[in-house]
Amino acid sequence: AIVLNQSPSSIIASQGEKVTITCRASSSISSNYLHWYQQKPGAFPKLVIYSTSYRASGVPSRFSGSGSGTSYSFTISRVEAEDVATYYCQQGSSNPPTFGAGTKLELK
Amino acid sequence: QIQLVQSGPELKKPGESVKISCKASGYTFTDYAMHWVKQAPGKGLKWMGWINTYTGKPTYADDFKGRFVFSLEASASTANLQISNLKNEDTATYFCARGGRQWYYFDYWGQGVMVTVSS
Repeated sequence: AIVLNQSPSSIIASQGEKVTITCRASSSISSNYLHWYQQKPGAFPKLVIYSTSYRASGVPSRFSGSGSGTSYSFTISRVEAEDVATYYCQQGSSNPPTFGAGTKLELK
Repeated sequence: QIQLVQSGPELKKPGESVKISCKASGYTFTDYAMHWVKQAPGKGLKWMGWINTYTGKPTYADDFKGRFVFSLEASASTANLQISNLKNEDTATYFCARGGRQWYYFDYWGQGVMVTVSS
C-alpha cells in the first residue's frame, strides 16, 4: 500500500496567516488521484481539493493545492476561524486507497 | 441536494453483531460506488472497501475481510455495513462515502455512525 506522510502533524496559526501542509507518497502517484479533505471537530470529512489542484464545489478560493509525483502540498492563503479542522490527503492511484495521518490546524 | 444519511449510534457487547445503514438521496443511487471508511476514536481515516451499487459486488480491504459485509437495498437507495463477532477494536465511527466518477475520491459523506463495543 502507498503510505502518505503528512507534515506537520499540527499547526497553530493566526487569522490571516498562510499555512501549507505537505503530503509525501511512498511511491509516485498520478496527480489526478491525490485529494484533500477537511474534517471539522465532530463532523464528517469534506472533499476540499481533488486531483491535486481542483477545488470542490463551494470551496473558497483561499484553498489551493499543487504537486506531482511523490510530493504534494495544500495551502490556505489566509486562514479564517472557520478553517479550524484536521486536513487529510488521500491517494486513489493504487489499491487500497490510503489517507495521510492528518494535520490539525488550530488558531493562535 | 445530495445527502447520505446514516443510522444512529450503537452500543454493543463483544461477540454481538451490528448493522449500519446509509440512505442516499438526490442522485441516481446505482450510478456511483459506495465506500466505507473507519475512524477509531482520535485517529485517522481508514478505507474499508466499497460496493458496486449497480451489480451489488463488494470489495473488502485486507483488514476488513471475514467479519464485515457490505450489502444493498437498491430499491431503497440504501447501503448497509454489517459487522459480526464485534471486538473492542471495532469501536469507531463508520462513514459511508460516495465514490466520485473518476480519480477515486469521495465526494459526499454520511454523518457517520459511532459504534461502541464494551462489555
